[in-house]
Amino acid sequence: KQEVTQIPAALSVPEGENLVLNCSFTDSAIYNLQWFRQDPGKGLTSLLLIQSSQREQTSGRLNASLDKSSGRSTLYIAASQPGDSATYLCAAKTGKLIFGQGTTLQVKP
Amino acid sequence: DAGVTQSPTHLIKTRGQHVTLRCSPISGHKSVSWYQQVLGQGPQFIFQYYEKEERGRGNFPDRFSARQFPNYSSELNVNALLLGDSALYLCASSLAGAASYYEQYFGPGTRLTVT
Repeated sequence: KQEVTQIPAALSVPEGENLVLNCSFTDSAIYNLQWFRQDPGKGLTSLLLIQSSQREQTSGRLNASLDKSSGRSTLYIAASQPGDSATYLCAAKTGKLIFGQGTTLQVKP
Repeated sequence: DAGVTQSPTHLIKTRGQHVTLRCSPISGHKSVSWYQQVLGQGPQFIFQYYEKEERGRGNFPDRFSARQFPNYSSELNVNALLLGDSALYLCASSLAGAASYYEQYFGPGTRLTVT
């Protein structure tokens, strides 16, 4: 049974810091892994999707990596801004999307 | 092109009532999945439909049911509502079934409050 865990549950950093969010999954037989952003009371915004054959994806200040053998993915946010404050969710796709509990990020001005 | 649409946006129901939530996938997408997100948790998989057939079901009671129509839109039905059914219900569409590399695209969700 696939389980997805995100650590830490919450993170508070000053503006400008580079930071890493962690995601681990128990079953390496995934089709892909996806990172989402969720603002309070809102739906999901897809940030990056990494296919199982890929090692990383980049979009602007975001970089996501995938290591299937160790069951880990990281989301790297460079030069964080207050507008990055949100909950970040990772999801591993097997026959369905299995989500982690999310990391709530606060970037202080 | 329009993304995934869901209706209604918000809904307030009383315990014991029935509710129907609707989802229209992206044009050309044949698969629709439903997820429930309770406050403070990650979304949980409820159902997946592909080509109008149920292809997956999560660990939810029989009070939850769904169907997909010939135009690939979908309905999620919940009977005998409980307070614990209060959540954000998310719909996602994809070109193919869940057992594939295709990305799932999410709608804005329906916020259900049961009082």
